[in-house]
This record gives sequence, C-alpha cells and structure tokens, in this order.
Amino acid sequence: DTGVSQDPRHKITKRGQNVTFRCDPISEHNRLYWYRQTLGQGPEFLTYFQNEAQLEKSRLLSDRFSAERPKGSFSTLEIQRTEQGDSAMYLCAGSTGQGTFYEQYFGPGTRLTVT
Amino acid sequence: GENVEQHPSTLSVQEGDSAVIKCTYSDSASNYFPWYKQELGKGPQLIIDIRSNVGEKKDQRIAVTLNKTAKHFSLHITETQPEDSAVYFCAAYSGAGSYQLTFGKGTKLSVIP
Repeated sequence: DTGVSQDPRHKITKRGQNVTFRCDPISEHNRLYWYRQTLGQGPEFLTYFQNEAQLEKSRLLSDRFSAERPKGSFSTLEIQRTEQGDSAMYLCAGSTGQGTFYEQYFGPGTRLTVT
Repeated sequence: GENVEQHPSTLSVQEGDSAVIKCTYSDSASNYFPWYKQELGKGPQLIIDIRSNVGEKKDQRIAVTLNKTAKHFSLHITETQPEDSAVYFCAAYSGAGSYQLTFGKGTKLSVIP
C-alpha cells in the first residue's frame, strides 16, 4: 500500500458533462503527479505539482483539463465537456522530493468511462 | 522528448523459469529507470529501480541491469511464480528540467503453473 488514495475509483459520465477526481497522497509527498493510462498503454504524464505550485503541464493537458493542489496536500483534476476520447484510467502519484526523490508511488487510479 | 521502447509485449513462462523484459530509451540525459508491476484494476506498483551510476541492482528474485552506452535496461525475474503474472512497465526519468516519467507500453507476463 503506497498510501496514495484516489476517489472515485470508477466514474461513468455522459459526453459533455464535467467530472472531477481527487487524489490524496501521504503528508510526506510534497511532489504530486497526474498521469493518464489508456487500455494497453503505459501511463502518460499530464501534470506535476511541487507543494501547491503546478510546475509542468503536458501537451496532453488540453484547456478542458485543469488541476489544482490548493494547500499542497490533496489534488483535484477536473475535465470539462468530456469527450469519448477522455475515457481512460487517471492515475495520481506522490513523491517525497527528498533523498530518493525520484521514486513515484501511484494510487489505485480512477477509471473514467465517457458514454 | 524521451522515448521508451519495451519488448516483448507478451511473455509466457513456466513456473520456476526466468523472465527477461528489455527496454531502450532515447534521451542520454535520462538518469533514473524504475520498473512497475500492474495487476488488473490496480495502480502501478514500484518493484525495483536503478540509477545511472549503477550497472546492476538485485532484490531477491528481481534484478535490473543498465547499459548506458547502449541506452538499454532490462528486468530479470528468476524462479517465477504464478503471482508474478501481471503487466510490467519500464520507465525513464530525465531529470533535466522535467519531472515526468516516460513509460514503455508494457509487457504482459503470464506464469504457467
């Protein structure tokens, strides 16, 4: 158990609706990452936070996507006007940023299905 | 950007045999290479990693080797067990102003009892 939790685990929504996912890392994870994983593929990087600052965004993160980490603890990922192509597993990972700061520990993911 | 290729995409072995999964990367600045195991419906689990200043690392039945000159690294699992069946992903981290991991496409390992 990595200590990283995600909610909800599954989300089914209709095209055009907005959805929001939440990630809760452990308190030591001052670095937080969001990845997207489609069927049969490895995770793809979306965005990265150090504490509350969003320091990096992938070109995959279109303007329909927004992520926040308001107090440097939990993070949310919102997708507006969902499209069928947004159907994927959304993964969150935490990292301590000290010593072995490279290591990223993933949560269980939120599986999104857009109908 | 970094590109990671992973082979094979599927691998079947008899219980007790060894399994080897290979990855190549493109960015010579990459300096950290983790391996993840993902079971159905779960998030990736970090199982072993290696840094660019090390050529080999072992943890019980799992070992990883790195050849920086050839830009490839491999995962070796010995004495495979049915519970080793899962999808394995390699990844690379450049660390040069980027904090993201770039993943391979995964290898589905099946251990046949």
